[in-house]
Amino acid sequence: GQQVMQIPQYQHVQEGEDFTTYCNSSTTLSNIQWYKQRPGGHPVFLIQLVKSGEVKKQKRLTFQFGEAKKNSSLHITATQTTDVGTYFCAGPKGAGNNRKLIWGLGTSLAVNP
Amino acid sequence: KAGVTQTPRYLIKTRGQQVTLSCSPISGHRSVSWYQQTPGQGLQFLFEYFSETQRNKGNFPGRFSGRQFSNSRSEMNVSTLELGDSALYLCASSLVGDPYEQYFGPGTRLTVT
Repeated sequence: GQQVMQIPQYQHVQEGEDFTTYCNSSTTLSNIQWYKQRPGGHPVFLIQLVKSGEVKKQKRLTFQFGEAKKNSSLHITATQTTDVGTYFCAGPKGAGNNRKLIWGLGTSLAVNP
Repeated sequence: KAGVTQTPRYLIKTRGQQVTLSCSPISGHRSVSWYQQTPGQGLQFLFEYFSETQRNKGNFPGRFSGRQFSNSRSEMNVSTLELGDSALYLCASSLVGDPYEQYFGPGTRLTVT
């Protein structure tokens, strides 16, 4: 069945370094969503990408959707301690009333001050 | 608007007991999804309700059930609790039935002893 894989599973960086997490799907996605979960918190929606090759920026965060709409990435420039958390990607599976989100396992980011 | 609320926030139960968790979605949101989150397993989809009907179901045993009321509030029930049911149970609501961005509640932390 359709799967969404995320790499790496964990990443430790020094504050100020860049960070990238990758999301790969076994099938073409109509869209992809990114969420962030702080330690002890709940997932919070960050962004949705819909178009092939789409690039969106939110301050230091850059999101990309691959040309084939099967992969996506989240890049954080000059990480800060506030970026600590787990980043999830999710893509829809199925059609009509059977649509649901399939989630990656997440990338946990630790930032050393 | 008030966010998604979940009650109770913490729960300790004994193996073999049953438990009911409650979720109130954001006003106007008619879709409610439930997830189980355990360390290393990411977000496991339980089921989704839309307009009081279960639209989608994940791969969980029949001990896990849910329902949605006419005001879109939702409950999930777990019968005959097992130690492995210890987890964070998250509820998420969305504006329409399609998997648009999901807004998560703070979760219910269930511990089974």
